[in-house]
Amino acid sequence: DVKVTQSSRYLVKRTGEKVFLECVQDMDHENMFWYRQDPGLGLRLIYFSYDVKMKEKGDIPEGYSVSREKKERFSLILESASTNQTSMYLCASSFMGRRQETQYFGPGTRLLVL
Amino acid sequence: ILNVEQSPQSLHVQEGDSTNFTCSFPSSNFYALHWYRWETAKSPEALFVMTLNGDEKKKGRISATLNTKEGYSYLYIKGSQPEDSATYLCAPVVSNYGQNFVFGPGTRLSVLP
Repeated sequence: DVKVTQSSRYLVKRTGEKVFLECVQDMDHENMFWYRQDPGLGLRLIYFSYDVKMKEKGDIPEGYSVSREKKERFSLILESASTNQTSMYLCASSFMGRRQETQYFGPGTRLLVL
Repeated sequence: ILNVEQSPQSLHVQEGDSTNFTCSFPSSNFYALHWYRWETAKSPEALFVMTLNGDEKKKGRISATLNTKEGYSYLYIKGSQPEDSATYLCAPVVSNYGQNFVFGPGTRLSVLP
């Protein structure tokens, strides 16, 4: 079974803090993704990566950056957390190749910025 | 950004009822459609991936149909059980978005015992 793990289930941070959210997958997937989910909205793509050291902006990259130093690990960084970044963050991974490849998700990190 | 709609937004049914909900998406440049089930405190779980117009997929009591010409998919649950309570997400893949999914806002289903 594919396993995608995220470093924390719940996180509370203060405005202005630097926040790291870590994601690890164990299926040798090329693609990794970071989404956020807010009430009434679908999952929105923040950043994605097709390979080590490669990153592409998604639909809402402002205020975020990412790092992919190893194939299995994809980190989301909030350089200076703000209250509007309070959200549920989900990581996903998939094989490169056909566009219908399933994305496999982690359990999510619920971040509260005070 | 691609506009993906799901209706209804939420649904309460009694155990044993059958139910269905809709995912609507622009039909141009369609490539595939994914359905996910997301239970509280768990990871979203893939249910189906559908690619062809007229596709019908089934997994136990859950089935889905796809109409790519008019841009919609239906998800059906026959004889709902409390364990079916979850948010159901659809995500079309369109060719000009690369491999990226565009998720709908979801339908939140509550099955009352």
